[in-house]
Amino acid sequence: EAGVTQFPSHSVIEKGQTVTLRCDPISGHDNLYWYRRVMGKEIKFLLHFVKESKQDESGMPNNRFLAERTGGTYSTLKVQPAELEDSGVYFCASSQASIKNTEAFFGQGTRLTVV
Amino acid sequence: AQSVTQLDSQVPVFEEAPVELRCNYSSSVSVYLFWYVQYPNQGLQLLLKYLSGSTLVKGINGFEAEFNKSQTSFHLRKPSVHISDTAEYFCAVRRMDSSYKLIFGSGTRLLVRP
Repeated sequence: EAGVTQFPSHSVIEKGQTVTLRCDPISGHDNLYWYRRVMGKEIKFLLHFVKESKQDESGMPNNRFLAERTGGTYSTLKVQPAELEDSGVYFCASSQASIKNTEAFFGQGTRLTVV
Repeated sequence: AQSVTQLDSQVPVFEEAPVELRCNYSSSVSVYLFWYVQYPNQGLQLLLKYLSGSTLVKGINGFEAEFNKSQTSFHLRKPSVHISDTAEYFCAVRRMDSSYKLIFGSGTRLLVRP
């Protein structure tokens, strides 16, 4: 069974440009999450999808970030325009519907560098 | 709100020595506790979790952790480490209610030397 897949693995863009990160969750997982780790600090929650609906987007830093999950399958996270402080590793995770025993499976992450 | 503190940013240890990675948390509500590991060039992998029951939890690769409610700690231990255990380890909590959000600590790099 394929795990959570993220594209690209690395991205280097200039300040002001646009970047789109993609996440393919494990098949059948309704829950999809985005997290970010900046400069070796803690991994911080960005948002949570249940199927195609945003369940919790309390961690989104500002309106330059737009997450979508059309059709409840893969998700994209667009940063427009990118700023230097957006650099970091963006993780995607997915999990099944049950709450108590839910294990979140993480992808390898996308390392974003804004120069 | 919840928070997780991993006081040690890096822990160097010799191969076959025991190791303890410390994790303390703060929460006004009951939480589940997790340890994740990130090996070089890989994603986060669940090492072990505490949901309920016995406070001593055994995970993969010989790791175990003990939940101490009075000290709000969930320290990770291994009696004898291998070179292959070199990785970054993250402690995390999640509220027991409907929230799925994981709150992570800042991570501890375990460096196992021969």
